[in-house]
Amino acid sequence: TQLLEQSPQFLSIQEGENLTVYCNSSSVFSSLQWYRQEPGEGPVLLVTVVTGGEVKKLKRLTFQFGDARKDSSLHITAAQPGDTGLYLCSGNEKLTFGTGTRLTIIP
Amino acid sequence: IAGITQAPTSQILAAGRRMTLRCTQDMRHNAMYWYRQDLGLGLRLIHYSNTAGTTGKGEVPDGYSVSRANTDDFPLTLASAVPSQTSVYFCASSKGRSPNSPLHFGNGTRLTVT
Repeated sequence: TQLLEQSPQFLSIQEGENLTVYCNSSSVFSSLQWYRQEPGEGPVLLVTVVTGGEVKKLKRLTFQFGDARKDSSLHITAAQPGDTGLYLCSGNEKLTFGTGTRLTIIP
Repeated sequence: IAGITQAPTSQILAAGRRMTLRCTQDMRHNAMYWYRQDLGLGLRLIHYSNTAGTTGKGEVPDGYSVSRANTDDFPLTLASAVPSQTSVYFCASSKGRSPNSPLHFGNGTRLTVT
């Protein structure tokens, strides 16, 4: 099993602040996905990164895939309460998920 | 609305009982998956199916079985439930296994085994 470790496990910050969460592995992935999950619902895809070094932006969210395709980061600029949720990374063609970062944005 | 339907939404089950969690998708996706989600452990794959008529074991298959008789349905059966199977179970589907085929999840079944 290719393990994906996410950090931090929990993060609580004030509205308007910036933050970065990480997804790391000792294995190489051909692609990596980021999902967000809200209480009582299933995860919803945010982005897929495929190329080492790739950077993708989704409004205030910036996703980066490491050059060696073993790690990824998610940076949120000017966090808003609507960003609150569980952020999950997934690799190995959907078979492996990280343990998640539970993000809370305080108004 | 197209998507994945899971039933039941929640269930309390006595240990030793048999239980089938239902999952139906109307998107004509080839691949389907069952995950369990536990605090601190994230989502772990139980079983998957790349196409109708085929199934495969995931990370935590013991105590669970699946079948894929057709494209739309992918039921998960617990033959004899144990308390460690208390969890939230998510069914998901995707067009295929490529990176450009995102997972679509149902809203989960919360199962408590007493």
